[in-house]
Amino acid sequence: AQSVTQLGSHVSVSEGALVLLRCNYSSSVPPYLFWYVQYPNQGLQLLLKYTSAATLVKGINGFEAEFKKSETSFHLTKPSAHMSDAAEYFCAVSPSVTGGSYIPTFGRGTSLIVHP
Amino acid sequence: DTAVSQTPKYLVTQMGNDKSIKCEQNLGHDTMYWYKQDSKKFLKIMFSYNNKELIINETVPNRFSPKSPDKAHLNLHINSLELGDSAVYFCASSHKHSGTKLGQETQYFGPGTRLLVL
Repeated sequence: AQSVTQLGSHVSVSEGALVLLRCNYSSSVPPYLFWYVQYPNQGLQLLLKYTSAATLVKGINGFEAEFKKSETSFHLTKPSAHMSDAAEYFCAVSPSVTGGSYIPTFGRGTSLIVHP
Repeated sequence: DTAVSQTPKYLVTQMGNDKSIKCEQNLGHDTMYWYKQDSKKFLKIMFSYNNKELIINETVPNRFSPKSPDKAHLNLHINSLELGDSAVYFCASSHKHSGTKLGQETQYFGPGTRLLVL
């Protein structure tokens, strides 16, 4: 079974500071990994995803994440936080088996707080 | 144009009532989902339909019944509402493009329906 652990339910940074949101996964097969963002009172939208191509994945709004198999991690980073980045961030994993159905598993989310 | 839309956006009702939430996607996707997000933001999949057929049915009380009249619509009917059903319900859709593997699909979420059971 696949699972993700997001370390820290809340992360607080100052505007302009580095953003680092942590995600570790557990999977019995090579995983596909996703980061979604949820702004207040909205649905989730995809930031970026890893599908076994390049290990460093660039997403929207200046975010990127690096897949590290040895560390079973897929941490999300952004060099400089903006006030508009304040949101809930979800890491998700899905199995890479072909055929049949799959269930994407979401982490419990990390709330990013950006201070002026 | 809204890609995945849900109605209503807010739903306040009494315990024991029956209610429905509607979802429509205009993306031409073949798979649709219902998720429940609790007060702690935990997101749990409830159902998934592919081409109008149920493919995932997680441990959900029988009071919840999804219905897909066509590929673009997935509705959720809830009987005998309970206090614990209060949550945000998200509809989502996805599509497996040729050349990609199952599991790589991006999920497109609706804006959510905020259900409060009193």
